[in-house]
Amino acid sequence: EAGVVQSPRYKIIEKKQPVAFWCNPISGHNTLYWYLQNLGQGPELLIRYENEEAVDDSQLPKDRFSAERLKGVDSTLKIQPAELGDSAVYLCASSLGPGKAYEQYFGPGTRLTVT
Amino acid sequence: TQLLEQSPQFLSIQEGENLTVYCNSSSVFSSLQWYRQEPGEGPVLLVTVVTGGEVKKLKRLTFQFGDARKDSSLHITAAQPGDTGLYLCAGAGETSYDKVIFGPGTSLSVIP
Repeated sequence: EAGVVQSPRYKIIEKKQPVAFWCNPISGHNTLYWYLQNLGQGPELLIRYENEEAVDDSQLPKDRFSAERLKGVDSTLKIQPAELGDSAVYLCASSLGPGKAYEQYFGPGTRLTVT
Repeated sequence: TQLLEQSPQFLSIQEGENLTVYCNSSSVFSSLQWYRQEPGEGPVLLVTVVTGGEVKKLKRLTFQFGDARKDSSLHITAAQPGDTGLYLCAGAGETSYDKVIFGPGTSLSVIP
């Protein structure tokens, strides 16, 4: 069974430029998460989807971050414009659905560097 | 606001030694998970504990959930270099069980 796929694995951009990350969850997993992880820290939730609906986006900086999950499968996270403080690893995870949120499967992450 | 604390933050030990890392909170969790994350990879789920006082074993790793479901420990026996990584605990809320929060992690280095 294929795991959670993320691309790109690495991205270097200049500040004020836009950037997008893509995630393909495990087949059949209805819940999808985007996390931000700073070096040596735990993941921090940005947004959670149940199918195509964003059910928790309270920690998403909506002035510059946006996300979508068309058709309830793949998802894209966008930052526009990027700031120096956005440099971090962006992790995507998926789980079967409500009641199974504690069993999350993570992708390898996208390491973003903003210069 | 629910918070998870982990200790120690960093741990460097020799191969063959035993160690214990801790995960603590003032909040009650419906379940608690332990993940291991290697450099350049995403976290990998090791175990889920649900019942207060529960003990689970995974080869040389022993996980325990506190009686009050507010804390947990991970004990590694005879650590090996392959155990090196960031150990994260995560808790699912007692009332909002779909909301999972992560601790800051314990970075373990096992020296050959």
